[in-house]
Amino acid sequence: VQLVESGGGLVKPGGSLRLSCATSGFTFSDYYMTWIRQAPGKGPEWVAYIGATGGNIYYIESVKGRFTISRDNARNSVYLQMNSLRAEDTAVYYCARKSGLARFLDSWGQGTLVTVSS
Amino acid sequence: IQMTQSPSTLSASVGDRVTITCRASQSVGIWLAWYQQKPGKAPKLLMYETSTLESGVPSRFSGSRSGTEFTLTISSLQPDDFATYYCQQYNGSPWTFGQGTRVEIK
Repeated sequence: VQLVESGGGLVKPGGSLRLSCATSGFTFSDYYMTWIRQAPGKGPEWVAYIGATGGNIYYIESVKGRFTISRDNARNSVYLQMNSLRAEDTAVYYCARKSGLARFLDSWGQGTLVTVSS
Repeated sequence: IQMTQSPSTLSASVGDRVTITCRASQSVGIWLAWYQQKPGKAPKLLMYETSTLESGVPSRFSGSRSGTEFTLTISSLQPDDFATYYCQQYNGSPWTFGQGTRVEIK
């Protein structure tokens, strides 16, 4: 199982970024996928998840209306479009696979750093 | 649901028995996972459903529960175990993590 994130970087407050996560080594279309973020020195924070077929989408309150999770099962990839970025969105963003058994995360990517600063 | 870990930092020696506690602000049943994270790396799943070891995780790791208090125990600390450990509840949305317990070399 491999998950590789890309698309992070430095962006000004109010700006946008699109994160991508390319996966391999498993049947992507069988699994829910999630985005988790971790601010410097803090614990992880779950951001969003998307169901196996693209439905059943859920966001934490602080990103609703600003972030959009999507997936392309033909490309084995999941995405996070982030708009109206704020300083408090600064974090390493991980994509992670939700276990087929329950709502824990059994595989994680290496992460991509998003820095929101003027 | 808020998850509170203690201690925040723990100093121990190789061979020590180590215990980390995670308390949930309300019932999460048995739906708790533990992750290990090393500097600059992603978290790695250690255990789920309170006490079920992920494949490949050494048997020196174990988990238990008493009500809303969960415990991760390392029976004999090894050099590879120095890391930060996080609990995560997955009973209610949003899924929430503890703030972490760093296990450092004494």
